[in-house]
Amino acid sequence: SAVISQKPSRDICQRGTSLTIQCQVDSQVTMMFWYRQQPGQSLTLIATANQGSEATYESGFVIDKFPISRPNLTFSTLTVSNMSPEDSSIYLCSAPRYTFGSGTRLTVV
Amino acid sequence: AQSVTQLGSHVSVSEGALVLLRCNYSSSVPPYLFWYVQYPNQGLQLLLKYTSAATLVKGINGFEAEFKKSETSFHLTKPSAHMSDAAEYFCAVSDRGDSSYKLIFGSGTRLLVRP
Repeated sequence: SAVISQKPSRDICQRGTSLTIQCQVDSQVTMMFWYRQQPGQSLTLIATANQGSEATYESGFVIDKFPISRPNLTFSTLTVSNMSPEDSSIYLCSAPRYTFGSGTRLTVV
Repeated sequence: AQSVTQLGSHVSVSEGALVLLRCNYSSSVPPYLFWYVQYPNQGLQLLLKYTSAATLVKGINGFEAEFKKSETSFHLTKPSAHMSDAAEYFCAVSDRGDSSYKLIFGSGTRLLVRP
């Protein structure tokens, strides 16, 4: 299974600002996934990121709020835009086969 | 649509006792099934996965799970709990025919281990 490095591990951000989270995979993968885990909740898929094409967003998530880049087969970023306290969550990336990064704990104040 | 139900948001056991965490799935076709563990302030670690005909799956840290199609269940067990097992456990499902590796997660069960 792939090994995923995710950063930052945590951040505290002001409302109205944006944060970009990075994930690096140690091997080439066709797809990467971004999940959100709200406080005390389970994980919800935000979007699927394919290299060379637009990300596919799940219901309730939009590109303007969570733009994703996938410049090559080993790297992806998720941006949380115009943040509000409701965006405070753990954000995790994932890659085949079913491996997760260590997560980014985001607090918006 | 696929779904996963984890019975019991909190389970408390004594150290050395049997651990049983329940997971039931809903799927029109036999799915792939997973158990993940999340320790405080950490990401998800894969405990075990069911993707083939072997219905009893052994994972890391002494955990195992049995796929029971007739009961649409995939319960996680460990014969003897350790204090270090205290964590949040998530059951997840993926479409067997879906090569995208998307996962649908249950709501999670927090395991508490009493000394």
